[in-house]
Amino acid sequence: QVQLVQSGAEMKKPGASVKVSCKTSGYTFTYFYLHWVRQAPGQGLEWMGWFNPNSGDTNYAQNFQGRVTMTRDMSTNTAYMELSRLGSDDTAVYYCARDALQWQLHYYFDYWGQGSLVTVSS
Amino acid sequence: DIQMTQSPSSLSASVGDRVTITCRASQGIRTYLNWYQQKPGKAPRFLIYAASTLQSGVPSRFSGSGSGTDFTLTISSLQPEDFATYFCQQSYSSPVTFGQGTRLDIK
Repeated sequence: QVQLVQSGAEMKKPGASVKVSCKTSGYTFTYFYLHWVRQAPGQGLEWMGWFNPNSGDTNYAQNFQGRVTMTRDMSTNTAYMELSRLGSDDTAVYYCARDALQWQLHYYFDYWGQGSLVTVSS
Repeated sequence: DIQMTQSPSSLSASVGDRVTITCRASQGIRTYLNWYQQKPGKAPRFLIYAASTLQSGVPSRFSGSGSGTDFTLTISSLQPEDFATYFCQQSYSSPVTFGQGTRLDIK
């Protein structure tokens, strides 16, 4: 079965960077785009961008451009999202999510990781 | 960016009730509208895409409708496991955006 398993919670200081991993299984890693979505405590969902595991292409939401980097390790079918210059308003649960249809971007998400809590505090 | 507005923000209902949640887009998005369910401490669960198509495995008591700017999610007969927060999401244009959520509580 399809699974996206994310790395554990992180505590970071303002100005630091965090790198969250998303290990996939149960499907062909390169066939489906991956997205990253975050959710601040008690808040709604915010899309951060997409990543093409086949080509390595990315598209980042404007709010995160210059601060986010999405990459992958094809040997382990794992995607990564790194966010730099963290501030307190980056405290959130970060999710990876699979685009629902293979080979195409449809921007809706059928499988999600369990989430990774990133807390930014001095 | 397209703004998505859900109403109500919260709703109390009983098991067996029929409930409707509304989602409005700030501009026309045809039927590029999707719905998710989220329970506390869990990732969102994908329910409906293209405004009205049920994802595989989702119970038939869930239904969606609408096009353009106005959409609804209906649960025909609430079950205990349906008490959760529901989000709409537009996939018409990037950046994708979500509604603020509708929390559905037990009355």
